[in-house]
Amino acid sequence: DSGVTQTPKHLITATGQRVTLRCSPRSGDLSVYWYQQSLDQGLQFLIHYYNGEERAKGNILERFSAQQFPDLHSELNLSSLELGDSALYFCASSQNQEAKNIQYFGAGTRLSVL
Amino acid sequence: QKEVEQDPGPLSVPEGAIVSLNCTYSNSAFQYFMWYRQYSRKGPELLMYTYSSGNKEDGRFTAQVDKSSKYISLFIRDSQPSDSATYLCARVRYGGSQGNLIFGKGTKLSVKP
Repeated sequence: DSGVTQTPKHLITATGQRVTLRCSPRSGDLSVYWYQQSLDQGLQFLIHYYNGEERAKGNILERFSAQQFPDLHSELNLSSLELGDSALYFCASSQNQEAKNIQYFGAGTRLSVL
Repeated sequence: QKEVEQDPGPLSVPEGAIVSLNCTYSNSAFQYFMWYRQYSRKGPELLMYTYSSGNKEDGRFTAQVDKSSKYISLFIRDSQPSDSATYLCARVRYGGSQGNLIFGKGTKLSVKP
């Protein structure tokens, strides 16, 4: 168990809908990262938050947004969902924002858009 | 050119074999490299973490970085069926506080009893 908790495990929804994925980092970790994993693209970095502030953005669509709350949990919001958004979404956490810090991954949320 | 290239496999070996998994990267400024293991329908878990060049050994696993040829390798000795998983190489994005990981697409390994 990595100590990173993601809910829900599975999510099935329809095109055009909006969903929220939740992540609780390991105790004491200030950084949260979101990744998307699809069969064709592999694991892709979406966004990084550190202690409530956005630090870096990767290949994140404008329809997607995230935030990190004062208790350090994070939410990834996906709106106007399309079939192509079906993927595994992972959250990872690390102690701080230094490049050398190890990232620990949650078990992921499997999103199916029908 | 992708920043981290990895042969997707699949790779099938008999139990007890030595497995060699490889990645190449394109930016010589990279400093930190990781190998993650991902079982089916699970999150990636860190196997090995290396900095700069050279070898690092942990039990049956050895990670090797060759900066001159921009090559990252993971060797698994005495492979077991429980090693069957997808192995992802990653490097930390260079550039101060960003710290996000750039992954290869993963190599799927199957160890047959």
